Amino acid sequence: GAVVSQHPSRVICKSGTSVKIECRSLDFQATTMFWYRQFPKKSLMLMATSNEGSKATYEQGVEKDKFLINHASLTLSTLTVTSAHPEDSSFYICSASRRERSDTQYFGPGTRLTVL
Amino acid sequence: GESVGLHLPTLSVQEGDNSIINCAYSNSASDYFIWYKQESGKGPQFIIDIRSNMDKRQGQRVTVLLNKTVKHLSLQIAATQPGDSAVYFCAENIAGGYQKVTFGTGTKLQVIP
Repeated sequence: GAVVSQHPSRVICKSGTSVKIECRSLDFQATTMFWYRQFPKKSLMLMATSNEGSKATYEQGVEKDKFLINHASLTLSTLTVTSAHPEDSSFYICSASRRERSDTQYFGPGTRLTVL
Repeated sequence: GESVGLHLPTLSVQEGDNSIINCAYSNSASDYFIWYKQESGKGPQFIIDIRSNMDKRQGQRVTVLLNKTVKHLSLQIAATQPGDSAVYFCAENIAGGYQKVTFGTGTKLQVIP
């Protein structure tokens, strides 16, 4: 149990376009979902935390208008990168925690975004 | 083989030997620690966790040691296998209104067949 999926796994887009990444908890209800960004050979950096039905809490330095996060249900959160630039190219990873064990995060497989 | 964490980001170990990956954490308020394994192009995979009221916890072929006095965490992998090759991150959970996990910089483990 505790499987998290992401879609798409890879996406290439042109500068100026918007890209949506989905994160789904497949076999549990995720009360909280997290979005991370990872640069090559670097650690994961938390971008934002979202609770179902409420606005996301963004980390310092993360533009909320650029990285739109929606957590519409207990099994789905989306990250939309708006007006993408080449510097937004990165590996985006989501994680989810369940109500019964809120201190454990289950990670998705990640999404590789390349902005041309 | 043994790593010193931040100063040795890559650890090379012979297959069958034991591996020790070290991690220093910074926040004395952290009360929950997790080791993750991340293979290339994939998301982190939970390995083992430990709470601050323990100093040792064992899993299958893995052991985590916690020294709160010096804020040090280690992951020991017994009889290292080629499939153990990955980047290993320690993470600390800082007590607060929600479960915010802070990741360390990571150590790359290379297993030599």
